[in-house]
Amino acid sequence: NAGVMQNPRHLVRRRGQEARLRCSPMKGHSHVYWYRQLPEEGLKFMVYLQKENIIDESGMPKERFSAEFPKEGPSILRIQQVVRGDSAAYFCASSPPIGAGHWGYTFGSGTRLTVV
Amino acid sequence: AQSVTQLDSQVPVFEEAPVELRCNYSSSVSVYLFWYVQYPNQGLQLLLKYLSGSTLVKGINGFEAEFNKSQTSFHLRKPSVHISDTAEYFCAVFGGGSNYKLTFGKGTLLTVNP
Repeated sequence: NAGVMQNPRHLVRRRGQEARLRCSPMKGHSHVYWYRQLPEEGLKFMVYLQKENIIDESGMPKERFSAEFPKEGPSILRIQQVVRGDSAAYFCASSPPIGAGHWGYTFGSGTRLTVV
Repeated sequence: AQSVTQLDSQVPVFEEAPVELRCNYSSSVSVYLFWYVQYPNQGLQLLLKYLSGSTLVKGINGFEAEFNKSQTSFHLRKPSVHISDTAEYFCAVFGGGSNYKLTFGKGTLLTVNP
């Protein structure tokens, strides 16, 4: 039973390019969460998605950032026109449906984005 | 809004010494509490969690934590550390109005020296 799979592990982009980060949840998990870890900071919540629905995007920057979790395929975090301040580790987590007795979730290994 | 404070950003210790990593949280309602470990350039691994019941929680790799509601603390302890315990440790809280959003502390870097 594979865990949460994120790719790529490392991503380098030039300022102004687009970054696409992918996350495949654990088998049987239908909920996906994205967190960002800035240097010397803890993880900060960005967005919570279910299949084809954004449930809570209160942690997403208002511009350039978007997320989706299509019916088929992985969840995608998309950052348009990247800037140096976007350099961070982006972690995805997944969980079973809330209320099914779950208490938390499983994290992937992260994508480390470097903007040059 | 919830918050988590990890009082020490860095904790250096010698191998086989005991260690305590401190965590305080702010919440007026029931919470779930977690400790995660992050090894260099890796993801987060769950060490232990407190949901309810016994306030002393045992986790993996010989770690344990004690939930203290009156002091709103959830300190992590290990009686004897190894070099391999060198990592960043994050305390997190889940609950208090949200049943899906984890709030993390800034982390404590534990460095175990020979």
